[in-house]
Amino acid sequence: EPEVTQTPSHQVTQMGQEVILRCVPISNHLYFYWYRQILGQKVEFLVSFYNNEISEKSEIFDDQFSVERPDGSNFTLKIRSTKLEDSAMYFCASSPGGVSYNSPLHFGNGTRLTVT
Amino acid sequence: DQQVKQNSPSLSVQEGRISILNCDYTNSMFDYFLWYKKYPAEGPTFLISISSIKDKNEDGRFTVFLNKSAKHLSLHIVPSQPGDSAVYFCAASGTSYGKLTFGQGTILTVHP
Repeated sequence: EPEVTQTPSHQVTQMGQEVILRCVPISNHLYFYWYRQILGQKVEFLVSFYNNEISEKSEIFDDQFSVERPDGSNFTLKIRSTKLEDSAMYFCASSPGGVSYNSPLHFGNGTRLTVT
Repeated sequence: DQQVKQNSPSLSVQEGRISILNCDYTNSMFDYFLWYKKYPAEGPTFLISISSIKDKNEDGRFTVFLNKSAKHLSLHIVPSQPGDSAVYFCAASGTSYGKLTFGQGTILTVHP
């Protein structure tokens, strides 16, 4: 079964550094998402992306965050200047259409980001 | 954000019995509900979903029930198997086309 793949599985970075988290969504999917889960907290929505632009973003997704689909297969999340509170598991997801009855999100295994 | 709540942090069930996981929501604009299962070091895996126009959806051992008036949904797993041991998340979507709101998760342990 096709799956969403994320790299790296674990990223350690120093506060203030830029990080790029990478994802390859399922090939025929059109909608792409980033979610994150801070340890001990809920999985929370960051951003959705369709047709090469952001469809919706949460209040967490401030100017330090950006997303890009640089080619036909990759979908990236960039954090420009990481803070300690950015430490979390970041999940990429994709769906064939927007979230609906026939279009559930399929998640990758996540990238654990540790900011020191 | 308490729009979706799973009030039981954990549930322990004997193999072969029924597991019932519960979820409550407060936002009446939610119209699509999903259950995900998550193993350690993996991402959430989609299990089953239900639209607000239905009150039940079944897929093999998994059945989701929706009670709109009570703003409550539940996931029934019958019969439960040890491989079902995982964290189960309920999630909901509404007018925000691409956004899921998750509950805190319930850790299900199925004992052989």
